Amino acid sequence: DTEVTQTPKHLVMGMTNKKSLKCEQHMGHRAMYWYKQKAKKPPELMFVYSYEKLSINESVPSRFSPECPNSSLLNLHLHALQPEDSALYLCASSQDLLLAGGGYTDTQYFGPGTRLTVL
Amino acid sequence: AQSVSQHNHHVILSEAASLELGCNYSYGGTVNLFWYVQYPGQHLQLLLKYFSGDPLVKGIKGFEAEFIKSKFSFNLRKPSVQWSDTAEYFCAVTGNSGGYQKVTFGTGTKLQVIP
Repeated sequence: DTEVTQTPKHLVMGMTNKKSLKCEQHMGHRAMYWYKQKAKKPPELMFVYSYEKLSINESVPSRFSPECPNSSLLNLHLHALQPEDSALYLCASSQDLLLAGGGYTDTQYFGPGTRLTVL
Repeated sequence: AQSVSQHNHHVILSEAASLELGCNYSYGGTVNLFWYVQYPGQHLQLLLKYFSGDPLVKGIKGFEAEFIKSKFSFNLRKPSVQWSDTAEYFCAVTGNSGGYQKVTFGTGTKLQVIP
């Protein structure tokens, strides 16, 4: 099973709403990622979790709040978003992260994404 | 900082034509290279990857790519394209950045295959 699932597929929310995006993988991967992809642009990294701990926050505004309840799940909590936050939000996972001082890497497997529209 | 350049933004080919999509990267250390494909309405899928060893890498659906270290390139090729290859293709590189693996994607090349 090389599948990463994401729910919901589509989400429309107002600027005062609170919503959450969910991502799940059952491949035993210990690294999980959130990306944002605007139309006709490549994915941009937002957050990286390694062994359920937040490793990287790529200067993402605090209105995006990630959470990793366990090794298979990754959530992205949304609050007070702006219309410019409308995008495709992609989740990915990989077997492991490059360790500090180490030297290996692995393939990231992507989910289908959640198409978010902020009104 | 690492970066990836894809020079062809939009490529239009007839079926059975040969394909070569350019990818150049900039990074000072050891890199790993990937090509991902995104079919219309579908999610990113891995086409092929290069970690080490034989610089000519074969992927799914008849695609291959060649890593040329001296040219910092990882071009994607297919001898004969099909209509079903219509998609957006992203080159990506990962490298050690501050102790973690960061993936940087190129801007993508939209391939349109005409029957």
